Amino acid sequence: ETGVTQTPRHLVMGMTNKKSLKCEQHLGHNAMYWYKQSAKKPLELMFVYNFKEQTENNSVPSRFSPECPNSSHLFLHLHTLQPEDSALYLCASSQVALALQFFGPGTRLTVL
Amino acid sequence: QKEVEQNSGPLSVPEGAIASLNCTYSDRGSQSFFWYRQYSGKSPELIMSIYSNGDKEDGRFTAQLNKASQYVSLLIRDSQPSDSATYLCAGGDSSYKLIFGSGTRLLVRP
Repeated sequence: ETGVTQTPRHLVMGMTNKKSLKCEQHLGHNAMYWYKQSAKKPLELMFVYNFKEQTENNSVPSRFSPECPNSSHLFLHLHTLQPEDSALYLCASSQVALALQFFGPGTRLTVL
Repeated sequence: QKEVEQNSGPLSVPEGAIASLNCTYSDRGSQSFFWYRQYSGKSPELIMSIYSNGDKEDGRFTAQLNKASQYVSLLIRDSQPSDSATYLCAGGDSSYKLIFGSGTRLLVRP
């Protein structure tokens, strides 16, 4: 768990708020990912960054905006979210071209 | 649509028994497979990876892969109550993307 860290661990926000989730990996990996995990549903891939370049946007609404300033840091900027966006948001990292992904502890997001 | 299918369970086994978790996948291009364990409220934790047909053993865990049948399984020997969790199966192709199943909940009864 210490290889990939996420902050905050819990977040409660109103529908008009703007907040950001942060992820940092200490594994020397080059690819980073955002996943959404809702109750009773499989992990949903949201975004993929490969060497800081976004290579995947899995039809995610524009109220979620990712940012990857370098290979170690990944952000997810949130604005005007909906209650159905409440979920566990997981960050993961891997070496490029290897699918072996390691997850951070996640941010439990509640949208009121 | 690439899919990974798992029985949601719960799979209930007595302590000390062998728990058998199964997974099928649709993408014949998948080359690597992973089992993650996820405790309630926690993030997925990698427990096994397998890349070639056959069995791979690591302690009490054995992963089995049959690419012809597009089938992956995880055996947990001498199951313990601490093994109670949701087990996620994931398949990856030659890129860096994983497709996850919805997970099987395992309950180990003391």
